[in-house]
Amino acid sequence: DAGVIQSPRHEVTEMGQEVTLRCKPISGHNSLFWYRQTMMRGLELLIYFNNNVPIDDSGMPEDRFSAKMPNASFSTLKIQPSEPRDSAVYFCASSLDRVTEAFFGQGTRLTVV
Amino acid sequence: DAKTTQPPSMDCAEGRAANLPCNHSTISGNEYVYWYRQIHSQGPQYIIHGLKNNETNEMASLIITEDRKSSTLILPHATLRDTAVYYCIVRPAHNDMRFGAGTRLTVKP
Repeated sequence: DAGVIQSPRHEVTEMGQEVTLRCKPISGHNSLFWYRQTMMRGLELLIYFNNNVPIDDSGMPEDRFSAKMPNASFSTLKIQPSEPRDSAVYFCASSLDRVTEAFFGQGTRLTVV
Repeated sequence: DAKTTQPPSMDCAEGRAANLPCNHSTISGNEYVYWYRQIHSQGPQYIIHGLKNNETNEMASLIITEDRKSSTLILPHATLRDTAVYYCIVRPAHNDMRFGAGTRLTVKP
C-alpha cells in the first residue's frame, strides 16, 4: 500500500480564496483524522471520522472550516474563505480501528498570503 | 486538558539508550498509551503502544508502571537519525488521538 496520500503537498493562495485539501486513507482503514500543525499551537486534532461518519469536530476552529468523507477512500478539508492565520501544515492520518496505530500522510503545507 | 506530561527536551549520546518519560496520572482502565515521533516536518511516525504490559518491537521498548500512571519509552541504541520530537499519547475509547507538546530528543555524536 502507498500509505496515506495527501494532495497537494504545497498550496499558496490569496486571502479570501477557497482551499480544498485532499486525503486518501489506507485501504481498509475505518478511522480518519485531520490535524493542523503550527509552531505556536503544535499538532491540533481538527476532526475525526469513523466509518465515514464525523465523530468529533470540536477541534474545527470556526465555520470557515468544513470536512467531508463521502466514501471510505476519500476525504476533504475545505477552508472558505481562507485567512493568513490558516497558514500551517495540515496532516491526514488513518487507522484500522481505535486500538491500532494511525499512519500519517506527508502533509499539505498551506500558505495564505 | 493535558492528559500527558513530558519533559520539553532531552539529550542523549549516540549509541547509548534514550529513556523518555511520560506521566499520565489520570489514565483510565481502557485507555492505551501510544508513542509517536516526528522528524523535521514529516508526518508523525508510530513507534509503539501498550495497555498494561511492557511491549517491545524493532524500534523501541515501552515500560508501563504497574499503576499505569507513567511510562517510559526506551530507544536501546540511539542514533543521530533518532533526533526528533517524541509524543506520548493516551488514546481514549472513543478513538480520538490528541498530541501534546512532546519531548525534543537530540542525539549527539
